[in-house]
Amino acid sequence: NAGVTQTPKFRILKIGQSMTLQCTQDMNHNYMYWYRQDPGMGLKLIYYSVGAGITDKGEVPNGYNVSRSTTEDFPLRLELAAPSQTSVYFCASRRQNTDTQYFGPGTRLTVL
Amino acid sequence: KNEVEQSPQNLTAQEGEFITINCSYSVGISALHWLQQHPGGGIVSLFMLSSGKKKHGRLIATINIQEKHSSLHITASHPRDSAVYICAGLIQGGSEKLVFGKGTKLTVNP
Repeated sequence: NAGVTQTPKFRILKIGQSMTLQCTQDMNHNYMYWYRQDPGMGLKLIYYSVGAGITDKGEVPNGYNVSRSTTEDFPLRLELAAPSQTSVYFCASRRQNTDTQYFGPGTRLTVL
Repeated sequence: KNEVEQSPQNLTAQEGEFITINCSYSVGISALHWLQQHPGGGIVSLFMLSSGKKKHGRLIATINIQEKHSSLHITASHPRDSAVYICAGLIQGGSEKLVFGKGTKLTVNP
């Protein structure tokens, strides 16, 4: 199993551009999450999903959108990139009725 | 004040030393996670506990729900233990929301 994969690894955006961060897991996990990690700060939950077709907001959802059309994929969309969205983004997943979250390698995004 | 506080922020130890990292929280949680973030950035889940104590190899995690405090201990520390250790509380009420501490950076010197 590849586990949780994220693309791209790095990206530089200009203010106002849009992009999609991809996240895929091959473990058939129901639950998927998007976090951001700012320098010197704890991770913060952006959005999560408990299964295909179901998504919900986390702590910092503004400026982001998600969709979950399949069990495997949970893309995160930035519509109008702002410098405040410069961060490292982590996707994670877990199986229902278990506690362990499996994290992807992260995407480092810089908005200039 | 953050809802989850870790101490110390940075910790340097000599190989073989016993390490303790502390986590205290001010919100109601149903469980607490300990995570390890490698120097390259990857994050691995170490423990989830809601009471008592858990042990995995040289790692031991304890939690005192009444005192809202958890500790992560590393026995016989090794340079490969060098990483950032993060605690995160699962907010009560059936939510999926984890509230994270800022992490403790551990460096173990040979």
